[in-house]
Amino acid sequence: AQKITQTQPGMFVQEKEAVTLDCTYDTSDPSYGLFWYKQPSSGEMIFLIYQGSYDQQNATEGRYSLNFQKARKSANLVISASQLGDSAMYFCAMRGGANNLFFGTGTRLTVIP
Amino acid sequence: NAGVTQTPKFQVLKTGQSMTLQCAQDMNHNSMYWYRQDPGMGLRLIYYSASEGTTDKGEVPNGYNVSRLNKREFSLRLESAAPSQTSVYFCASRPTLYQETQYFGPGTRLLVL
Repeated sequence: AQKITQTQPGMFVQEKEAVTLDCTYDTSDPSYGLFWYKQPSSGEMIFLIYQGSYDQQNATEGRYSLNFQKARKSANLVISASQLGDSAMYFCAMRGGANNLFFGTGTRLTVIP
Repeated sequence: NAGVTQTPKFQVLKTGQSMTLQCAQDMNHNSMYWYRQDPGMGLRLIYYSASEGTTDKGEVPNGYNVSRLNKREFSLRLESAAPSQTSVYFCASRPTLYQETQYFGPGTRLLVL
């Protein structure tokens, strides 16, 4: 069975600073995918970044990067140069089986001006 | 190109009433999903449809039924609503089983009294 753990209920970061949001996972599947989604206060789910278990390099998308440490089963999201618009809930998720996503409980990020 | 659309945006039901949540995508995606999000939790899969004509149960299917009407539309039905079904419901779609990212609709907020 798949499991995603996000241990930080809330995080604060100063504007323009970098922040790391933690995510650990557990799975017995040799092939899996890891995702980060952003949920602003308006409620929609916005895809940020994806990392496949066989990908050799850490995924990057603009200011977002995924620090993938397979042996530690961690997939932390790094946001560089934080902006006020980054304030939101962030969810780590894992692909389950052939179809669904398993989500963590989320981390609420607040960017301080 | 609207992406994934959901109707209604908000609904109040009385216990025992029935209703159908509608979801449509215009991206020609094969797979579609219904999730629910309860306060303080990540999303949990209710039902999914890997392709037109197929549906399968997810993590929390009890009290729900689904219909994959055609490739574009995937509806979620509550036959006899219960207060425990008060939640935010998200529909998502995915291009093919071999493409990882799921794209979410804006959500339907349901309150069952």
